[in-house]
Amino acid sequence: KQEVTQIPAALSVPEGENLVLNCSFTDSAIYNLQWFRQDPGKGLTSLLLIQSSQREQTSGRLNASLDKSSGRSTLYIAASQPGDSATYLCAVRPSGGYNKLIFGAGTRLAVHP
Amino acid sequence: AAGVIQSPRHLIKEKRETATLKCYPIPRHDTVYWYQQGPGQDPQFLISFYEKMQSDKGSIPDRFSAQQFSDYHSELNMSSLELGDSALYFCASSLAETPLHFGNGTRLTVT
Repeated sequence: KQEVTQIPAALSVPEGENLVLNCSFTDSAIYNLQWFRQDPGKGLTSLLLIQSSQREQTSGRLNASLDKSSGRSTLYIAASQPGDSATYLCAVRPSGGYNKLIFGAGTRLAVHP
Repeated sequence: AAGVIQSPRHLIKEKRETATLKCYPIPRHDTVYWYQQGPGQDPQFLISFYEKMQSDKGSIPDRFSAQQFSDYHSELNMSSLELGDSALYFCASSLAETPLHFGNGTRLTVT
């Protein structure tokens, strides 16, 4: 059974720091991995999608990497800003069929001025 | 571009009442997924439909049922509501193995 773990559970940093959020999964048979952002009580905003054949994806200040063989992904946030404060969720989509996403518990990020 | 539409956005019900949540997937998407997210928790998969047939089932209580209609919209029916059913309910859709697109969710409050 696929399990997704995110470390740390919470993170508080001063503005301007570069951050690394970690995601690990137990079964390497995945089709893709997706990082989401969620503001309190709001919906899920997709940030980056990495296909299983890819090693990384970049969007602006965000960079996500994937090491499928070791079951790990990292989300790198450069020059953090207070507006980055949110919960970041990692989700994997198992391969084989039109499978659902399996989510981690998220990392709650607070960036203070 | 069209997104996944969920209605209502907010719903308040009393214990033991029934609630119906609706989801309108992106046009031409053939798969719909339902998720439940309790306060401070990650989204938990409930059920999915592919081409109007149930394709997968997660931790969905027996009090809940869902279906996908001929126009591909889906409804999640929840009966005998309990306080613990208060949560955000997300619907997502996809076409084959394209990425899932999520709606903004329905916030259900049971009092």
